[in-house]
This record gives sequence, C-alpha cells and structure tokens, in this order.
Amino acid sequence: DAMVIQNPRYQVTQFGKPVTLSCSQTLNHNVMYWYQQKSSQAPKLLFHYYDKDFNNEADTPDNFQSRRPNTSFCFLDIRSPGLGDAAMYLCATSRIYRGLTEAFFGQGTRLTVV
Amino acid sequence: KNEVEQSPQNLTAQEGEFITINCSYSVGISALHWLQQHPGGGIVSLFMLSSGKKKHGRLIATINIQEKHSSLHITASHPRDSAVYICAVRSEETSGSRLTFGEGTQLTVNP
Repeated sequence: DAMVIQNPRYQVTQFGKPVTLSCSQTLNHNVMYWYQQKSSQAPKLLFHYYDKDFNNEADTPDNFQSRRPNTSFCFLDIRSPGLGDAAMYLCATSRIYRGLTEAFFGQGTRLTVV
Repeated sequence: KNEVEQSPQNLTAQEGEFITINCSYSVGISALHWLQQHPGGGIVSLFMLSSGKKKHGRLIATINIQEKHSSLHITASHPRDSAVYICAVRSEETSGSRLTFGEGTQLTVNP
C-alpha cells in the first residue's frame, strides 16, 4: 500500500488561479518535504516541516506557501501560478526521533499551467 | 556553487560493467542518501548512510566524512539499472531535517 500519497497525480490550472496540491502519509513521520522538479532537472527543495516548524528555503518564491494541519497531511498552495511554475511537485517524508530514517516519496503531482 | 555536486552528469555503460557515481558536498551533514529515479518520476531510497559502507545486492555505497565525499557503485550492471541516481544530504541545519539534492547522474546501461 502506498505510504505517501499525492493528489491529484495530474493538475491543470489557469494562469493566476490559485491551486492546492495535497500530500498525505501513513507513516507517522514527523518531517514532510515539498520539492519542485522541472524537466531534466533534479528536485529542488521548496520547504519542509519538522513537526510543526516550517522551514522555508531562501530562494523559494513567496508565491509558494504550505500548510500542515496535522502529522498526516501537508499542502502546497500556489497563490498565482505562472507558466514557469509548471513542473512535477514531489512530497516526501522522513522521521527524526532517536535517529534518522530513510526518506519516502510520493508519486508526484504534475502541474500544468494554461 | 551547489552544496551537493555529482559526477558524472551522464554515464553510458555496457551491460556487465562496474559503475561508479561520485558525490561531493560542502556542508556539514548528519546523513547522506542515494536515491534512484526512474522515468515517470518515482523516487526510491537506495541507501542512507552516515559513515563507512553499505551493500545491498549489486549496489554498494561508501562515504568519507572527512573528505565530504560519497560513491555509489553498481557491480555487474544491467539495463534495468538505467535511471537517474541522486545524492541527497541531510545538512546539520534544523537537526538534520533539511534534505537537499544533487543534480543527479543519468545512467544508461546498454545490452
């Protein structure tokens, strides 16, 4: 059974129309990550939650926001998507408690902006 | 300069060859991951290591903390090993929760 689930797998949104991507996990991991991956590039970390602590990367645009209402769910909000935001968005989780665990990845949401 | 650099960026090998992919990093880390990404996007974790060496089947990962360098080796390579291999590091910031990626190495193994 999938342990990190991203919905939807494919999302089409209009230029400038807010969109939300979701990620859920059944692993009870305390760290959740959002990455952006553009074609032929490595995933780029946007931000991550360590428990309830939000950690933003310095170069993540303000257009990208995140919410983590509880341990299991994390959302990526793109307030005004531009054409340059079309990408694969990957969610990942891991646990930090008495040591580190492997990272587990969702299948990603491919975002198209029209 | 990226915190994590991989070499080579692209690697083509013949089936059966021994393959090495290198990763160097510039930050203090608490652990290093080797990940595999197949076309279509799915990423799986191959190894997480903080010292020494780990082996799983035909895959071997080593790390030298003093030199800030890690290698991923594939013995007896096979076309199904063709994928992007990514080195990712847990920097010491935020108690090791921050996980950033290298640029990846595209491996193609020809039959």
